[in-house]
Amino acid sequence: SQQGEEDPQALSIQEGENATMNCSYKTSINNLQWYRQNSGRGLVHLILIRSNEREKHSGRLRVTLDTSKKSSSLLITASRAADTASYFCATDRGSYIPTFGRGTSLIVHP
Amino acid sequence: GAGVSQSPRYKVAKRGQDVALRCDPISGHVSLFWYQQALGQGPEFLTYFQNEAQLDKSGLPSDRFFAERPEGSVSTLKIQRTQQEDSAVYLCASSLIAPTEGAFFGQGTRLTVV
Repeated sequence: SQQGEEDPQALSIQEGENATMNCSYKTSINNLQWYRQNSGRGLVHLILIRSNEREKHSGRLRVTLDTSKKSSSLLITASRAADTASYFCATDRGSYIPTFGRGTSLIVHP
Repeated sequence: GAGVSQSPRYKVAKRGQDVALRCDPISGHVSLFWYQQALGQGPEFLTYFQNEAQLDKSGLPSDRFFAERPEGSVSTLKIQRTQQEDSAVYLCASSLIAPTEGAFFGQGTRLTVV
């Protein structure tokens, strides 16, 4: 069963715009991670945020975590066509085993 | 090698055939995970190893699925008597110990059962 649920399922934007994806989960976590998957490829780890952190940045990525609402968001600023991919959140359910949601499919039009 | 390597990249099996999928994790990585990803879905957890010990196999869908990591490095996922519903991409990931800084994924093996 999948722990996290990403929202929206699909997102289509123009290059230069910001993209925001959300993730909700059900049980307590130690950390939450975001991954990117290009079509037909493996997953690439983007960023990890621990349960005692509220916000984290990495380049054009900004992740927030609200443990009271059991939700996280991933913001990609100034998007590029190369950001086109599926994005997944993964929670650990307290066991350090990443458990993935269904993902958000992002299309960035040049 | 520099990353997680999986072989074969593609496998076509006739229904009822046994298959073996190989994963070479990053050298020195203690934790190894197998996931199954159906088209348009997120990866579903299958099993987890810490060194040679299989600590969690709760995600294996049936007793036709078997995984091993006998020397704590290379792992093999075996599927016996394959069924059409086994068609998916099988992903392997490794991390140093607990994946507290993220797990590194291989490119996956796409299994098609015909």
